[in-house]
Amino acid sequence: DADVTQTPRNRITKTGKRIMLECSQTKGHDRMYWYRQDPGLGLRLIYYSFDVKDINKGEISDGYSVSRQAQAKFSLSLESAIPNQTALYFCATSSWTGNNEQFFGPGTRLTVL
Amino acid sequence: AQSVTQPDIHITVSEGASLELRCNYSYGATPYLFWYVQSPGQGLQLLLKYFSGDTLVQGIKGFEAEFKRSQSSFNLRKPSVHWSDAAEYFCAVGAMGTGANNLFFGTGTRLTVIP
Repeated sequence: DADVTQTPRNRITKTGKRIMLECSQTKGHDRMYWYRQDPGLGLRLIYYSFDVKDINKGEISDGYSVSRQAQAKFSLSLESAIPNQTALYFCATSSWTGNNEQFFGPGTRLTVL
Repeated sequence: AQSVTQPDIHITVSEGASLELRCNYSYGATPYLFWYVQSPGQGLQLLLKYFSGDTLVQGIKGFEAEFKRSQSSFNLRKPSVHWSDAAEYFCAVGAMGTGANNLFFGTGTRLTVIP
């Protein structure tokens, strides 16, 4: 089984809808991240969490919110989706050791019409 | 602030040819450096990483990278490319000792392999 899983893998939604992307991990890591990937822009950090009680904004947090329900679960929500949020979204995890090595999920492809 | 530059957006090589993907970083102290590969429709897989010590690091799938502090570079190399290496490659830098645990990614280099 994959260490970092994301659901759904693909989602098509309409402008204005609320949508949640979920991430679960079995690596036992305390740190979790959400990124979005756009062609030509690489990966950009949306939010990150160092533990259940710690949530931090990343580079591009506007229009997004997150919830860390447990050490193993980190959800990303789009309260009112807009077309420019169409992207590939990745969840990642890392341990506390401080070497920044991150382990990525398979991604969720989100299309907002 | 940290940043990463991958100057080549797209590279095409023949199967069996050698490969070098460029990565330059900006960071005031010793960085942690990574190369990830993303195959079509897949997530990111770690190819190799540099934390300290020997500046030439070996990774999976026959890849290697060399950390050159004087040039702020961490270029990825492979002596003989296989068709299965066609993918997008991302260089990333992390900040040592800040506790931030964040990675900063380059914009990626897409590799096409021709027979």
